Amino acid sequence: ETGVTQSPTHLIKTRGQQVTLRCSSQSGHNTVSWYQQALGQGPQFIFQYYREEENGRGNFPPRFSGLQFPNYSSELNVNALELDDSALYLCASSFGGTKYNEQFFGPGTRLTVL
Amino acid sequence: QQQVKQSPQSLIVQKGGISIINCAYENTAFDYFPWYQQFPGKGPALLIAIRPDVSEKKEGRFTISFNKSAKQFSLHIMDSQPGDSATYFCAAGGNNNDMRFGAGTRLTVKP
Repeated sequence: ETGVTQSPTHLIKTRGQQVTLRCSSQSGHNTVSWYQQALGQGPQFIFQYYREEENGRGNFPPRFSGLQFPNYSSELNVNALELDDSALYLCASSFGGTKYNEQFFGPGTRLTVL
Repeated sequence: QQQVKQSPQSLIVQKGGISIINCAYENTAFDYFPWYQQFPGKGPALLIAIRPDVSEKKEGRFTISFNKSAKQFSLHIMDSQPGDSATYFCAAGGNNNDMRFGAGTRLTVKP
């Protein structure tokens, strides 16, 4: 059974640019949640996708957007990057689309915005 | 956005001792309270979780105590081991599948 994978591992961008992060969910899972984890802080919920539809969103601006594909992999897109977007971006997959289902986290993508 | 307050920020415990981490929440709509363990370079991993209809849940050396009236919950790690050294996060799940995490506790277990 393959776990949750994320790509790329590290990424450096400049302010104003756009970035796409990718996540492959664990086999059998149909739900992907994205989190932003600033250094020394807990993860903050960005949004969740369940069976290709957005299924909940945290307090992030519209320049954070996402997609889920028919194979349940997912993308996180961030437009007009700001310095404060520098963080570890985590995705977590689960089965069932509710908070009660155990989420399995990937290792994250470290984004640095200069 | 943080609605879950976690303490202490860091904790040092001797091998064999008890580690206790506390969390408090504000939103009474929260109805799912998991604890996560995170090692450096890894994503968080679910350790144990509780719902507010019970006051305690135990799994091996890990116990969650939950006080609904005080809106507080805690993680107890019995017989702490050096391998338990990690960062621990409490979280609370509410409406909209929005999981709110505490700021984390860095636990060091000294041999």
